Amino acid sequence: DQQVKQNSPSLSVQEGRISILNCDYTNSMFDYFLWYKKYPAEGPTFLISISSIKDKNEDGRFTVFLNKSAKHLSLHIVPSQPGDSAVYFCAAKGTNTGTASKLTFGTGTRLQVTL
Amino acid sequence: DGGITQSPKYLFRKEGQNVTLSCEQNLNHDAMYWYRQDPGQGLRLIYYSQIVNDFQKGDIAEGYSVSREKKESFPLTVTSAQKNPTAFYLCASSTGQGANLAFFGQGTRLTVV
Repeated sequence: DQQVKQNSPSLSVQEGRISILNCDYTNSMFDYFLWYKKYPAEGPTFLISISSIKDKNEDGRFTVFLNKSAKHLSLHIVPSQPGDSAVYFCAAKGTNTGTASKLTFGTGTRLQVTL
Repeated sequence: DGGITQSPKYLFRKEGQNVTLSCEQNLNHDAMYWYRQDPGQGLRLIYYSQIVNDFQKGDIAEGYSVSREKKESFPLTVTSAQKNPTAFYLCASSTGQGANLAFFGQGTRLTVV
């Protein structure tokens, strides 16, 4: 039962254009969402997050949008750069996990930014 | 520098053998986690610990064991009971408060030969 879904396994975008990565979730108890970026054979690094009380969070070239009614979030990268090429994981945290950051991850989307 | 160190980076094990993966953090984080990544799948939680001398099973704990005798260390043992141990293993830690942002180590690639 995949509670966090990233339905696009890969995405190719031209340098300078906008990259939009999507994520859907099914668990209404999720209250915090994160995006991680991962290079091959390395650990994920935190990119940006959003609380369920907000619908948008922006950090430089990265913006995350949350649509609670649709249980959907998206990560926008603009402008896209070649160094953005990586696998992006969407993750969610529920309200019933106490103090632990028990994250539920999506399957990832591989972004390729071409010249 | 503060961070999470996993060792070794690559590990080979013969079938039927137990193997222990190391995870050390000097971030003074209370909580630590072990995740497993398989091709085409997201990261799945194996075990987590919110405090020293306490740990809980995650979603795929069967065939694994952990200990948390020190705040800084959270070793994972992959036992011979784990049916498909070949995977990329990631250790993480978090403050256990607020946003509970998890910081990850560089991972250990375990291959059963």
